[in-house]
Amino acid sequence: KAGVTQTPRYLIKTRGQQVTLSCSPISGHRSVSWYQQTPGQGLQFLFEYFSETQRNKGNFPGRFSGRQFSNSRSEMNVSTLELGDSALYLCASSFGGDGYTFGSGTRLTVV
Amino acid sequence: QQQVKQSPQSLIVQKGGISIINCAYENTAFDYFPWYQQFPGKGPALLIAIRPDVSEKKEGRFTISFNKSAKQFSLHIMDSQPGDSATYFCAASHSNYQLIWGAGTKLIIKP
Repeated sequence: KAGVTQTPRYLIKTRGQQVTLSCSPISGHRSVSWYQQTPGQGLQFLFEYFSETQRNKGNFPGRFSGRQFSNSRSEMNVSTLELGDSALYLCASSFGGDGYTFGSGTRLTVV
Repeated sequence: QQQVKQSPQSLIVQKGGISIINCAYENTAFDYFPWYQQFPGKGPALLIAIRPDVSEKKEGRFTISFNKSAKQFSLHIMDSQPGDSATYFCAASHSNYQLIWGAGTKLIIKP
């Protein structure tokens, strides 16, 4: 059974640019959540999608957005990148809302 | 009321010893309490989870102790091994809503 796949693994972007990260959940999982992880802030919840609808949203500015497709794959977009957006972005999928399986993350560096 | 407080922030244990990480919560509606283990460069992985109808759950060397009246739960790692060195996160949720995460504990097992 394939795990959660996140692409790309590493990304370097310049301030002001935008970036799109991709997440393919485990087959059959309809819930996809996104997290930002930084050394000082731990795991910060961004948003959760379930059956193409945003079900929960964390306390992040509108520059962070996401969507989910009919095959449950999800994308996260960050516009007008800031240096402080440098982090590991993690995607997690679940069947019903618990027992999350995480991907290995996308390491974003903003320079 | 939505917070989960995790302690200690870091922990050093000798090989063969017992590692204990504690978490406390406020929201009595929480009904699912997982522990995740994260190695560097990887996403968190579900280690063990408990629901409030039991006071203890054991899987191999890992045990969750749950005290409903005190609103606390803890992870015990028996016979700690260097391979257990990782960051551990506790979390809580209710009714399959998003997980509320602790801040993490960096565990180092000294050979």
